[in-house]
Amino acid sequence: EVQLVESGGGLVQPGGSLRLSCAASGFTFSSYDMNWVRQATGKSLEWVAAIGTAGDTYYPGSVKGRFTISRENAKNSLYLQMNSLRAGDTAVYYCARGLTIWGQGTMVTVSS
Amino acid sequence: DIVMAQTPLSSPVTLGQPASISCRSSQSLVHSDGNIYLSWLQQRPGQPPRLLIYKISNRFSGVPDRFSGSGAGTDFTLKISRVEAEDVGVYYCMQATQFPYTFGQGTKLEIK
Repeated sequence: EVQLVESGGGLVQPGGSLRLSCAASGFTFSSYDMNWVRQATGKSLEWVAAIGTAGDTYYPGSVKGRFTISRENAKNSLYLQMNSLRAGDTAVYYCARGLTIWGQGTMVTVSS
Repeated sequence: DIVMAQTPLSSPVTLGQPASISCRSSQSLVHSDGNIYLSWLQQRPGQPPRLLIYKISNRFSGVPDRFSGSGAGTDFTLKISRVEAEDVGVYYCMQATQFPYTFGQGTKLEIK
């Protein structure tokens, strides 16, 4: 069974950092593009980062320079390093294989 | 950025009746490879998003055939032939033709 399990969310102060992880299983992780997508409470979805099979990375302007997506194929794991966090980054963060299979999400709250 | 505009934002439907959601993109979604990466996602209450339709009209694995997608150019439609109670939730269109990937505002499907 294909499964994605996010972890690493929590409460962080504005300006702080957090690293999210996504553990993948049930498929050949290295063969797929991976994404992070977030959703603030009661809001629509917002794409946050993508990484290709070759390690190429893409970001929207809202997080470029602050967030870094990476992958470790040997560990079937995806990461999102988030720096200089702001209140507007508060959301549930989903890991997604391509944009087909989604994890359950991990909550990130940025507040003092 | 490509803006995805959905209508209606709310759709009360009687069980067993059809439902239709429209999505309009602010520019063409034709990728350089000739494909149109327009997808539809369902998010049931308290659940992560789930892919229903990809590349305009292709049902994802396990999606009931009462869901169908159509469209061309910048106008796309998701149809549910006969709404069931389990279809309650929010539906999003999404484009993955061009970075940054973008989502519609969401359409809330509820039972009358």
